[in-house]
Amino acid sequence: QQPVQSPQAVILREGEDAVINCSSSKALYSVHWYRQKHGEAPVFLMILLKGGEQKGHEKISASFNEKKQQSSLYLTASQLSYSGTYFCGTEYPSMNRDDKIIFGKGTRLHILP
Amino acid sequence: EAQVTQNPRYLITVTGKKLTVTCSQNMNHEYMSWYRQDPGLGLRQIYYSMNVEVTDKGDVPEGYKVSRKEKRNFPLILESPSPNQTSLYFCASSFGDSNQPQHFGDGTRLSIL
Repeated sequence: QQPVQSPQAVILREGEDAVINCSSSKALYSVHWYRQKHGEAPVFLMILLKGGEQKGHEKISASFNEKKQQSSLYLTASQLSYSGTYFCGTEYPSMNRDDKIIFGKGTRLHILP
Repeated sequence: EAQVTQNPRYLITVTGKKLTVTCSQNMNHEYMSWYRQDPGLGLRQIYYSMNVEVTDKGDVPEGYKVSRKEKRNFPLILESPSPNQTSLYFCASSFGDSNQPQHFGDGTRLSIL
């Protein structure tokens, strides 16, 4: 039930673009994205609801493909401050509104100057 | 300032010695949760609580206990800690509706010798 993130790690030069994917084997209700810098707590980036919407946050945006049961996080013109580990968290539809968020294993992103 | 506060931040202890990690939030959040983070495994949920006196198991509850007597507090109890519980622990909280961002504490690094 844990979502699968890919790639596991990526190294970029400053200014390059990156895409991080989050896939589920079950139908998704929503997808959360968080970033965690080394030694710190995860920080919320955005939530996407089913319906294929795309949201943006600075030069970071994400999409949700309900049919593919997948969300993608796009980092455009990456900055040094984007380095960290990115986690997706998934919520699944159920009769009881006590869904818990299940996090993927994370994608480590390292930006080189 | 809105925050989730965990104590202690660091603890080294020995096998079998009961310990409690406290978590408190000042945002009037209904939902609180405990995660453990281990290299390569991401954030795995231990227990969560939808409201006062309502708790439920996450994905890795063995060896842990929780209680939710007050809305703001959600302590994590290790009755008889073992070395395999050495990990980085995060408490998180959010409003009880779906699709709410989770606010994380700064983490507690536990070492069980």
